[in-house]
Amino acid sequence: QLQLQESGPGLVRPSETLSLTCSVSGASISSTSYYWAWIRQPPGKGLEWVGSVFRNGATFYYPSLKGRVTISVDTSKNQFSLHLISVTAADTSVYYCARPRGSFGDYEYWGQGALVTVSS
Amino acid sequence: QSALTQPASVSGSPGQSITISCTGTSSDIGTHDLVSWYQQHPGKAPKLIIYEGTKRPSGVSNRFSGSKSGNTASLTISGLQAEDEADYHCCSYAGDFDKFYVFGTGTKVTVL
Repeated sequence: QLQLQESGPGLVRPSETLSLTCSVSGASISSTSYYWAWIRQPPGKGLEWVGSVFRNGATFYYPSLKGRVTISVDTSKNQFSLHLISVTAADTSVYYCARPRGSFGDYEYWGQGALVTVSS
Repeated sequence: QSALTQPASVSGSPGQSITISCTGTSSDIGTHDLVSWYQQHPGKAPKLIIYEGTKRPSGVSNRFSGSKSGNTASLTISGLQAEDEADYHCCSYAGDFDKFYVFGTGTKVTVL
């Protein structure tokens, strides 16, 4: 049974860096051919695709977040991570990690989500 | 890249059918047959209910169906049930030289 679990600070100061980790259990990232993703949802609003990473470190990012976002993978720990720099209140969201049904997109497995608030 | 446009809310009585629209552009929905739909109950993670425009994952009720015309995708829920009351999000592949997805603004479905 595949499970994803987000972890990281729930409060980040403006202008600082948001960092989250997604721990994967029930499957090995290094032996799969999926682009593992981060998706976020501001309170009361719709979902926003943030980006995704392959087992070899290849990444794709949402255009409006390029320059601020980095997604990386650590296959030895079976984890992948999100780093978002220079955060503002607009980055306050529930952050989900997810695995697609196919290789890319159509997200069938989701973590429970982690609320990150940007506030001083 | 702008979010896909969905109505803020749609409502219907039990047993009725409702349709949720999702309007994009020729850069996303209009070009790619890669639209997915997600159901999200309060405080829960989204659940994939339609992928590749019209396909249902195993275990998803056949009361959910997807379609597309031009730059607009649609989700129809037939035989509306109380458990269908939730938020629904559309999503489309939007990349060309780059690969990324764009989500919709979300629709709250209320069962009267």
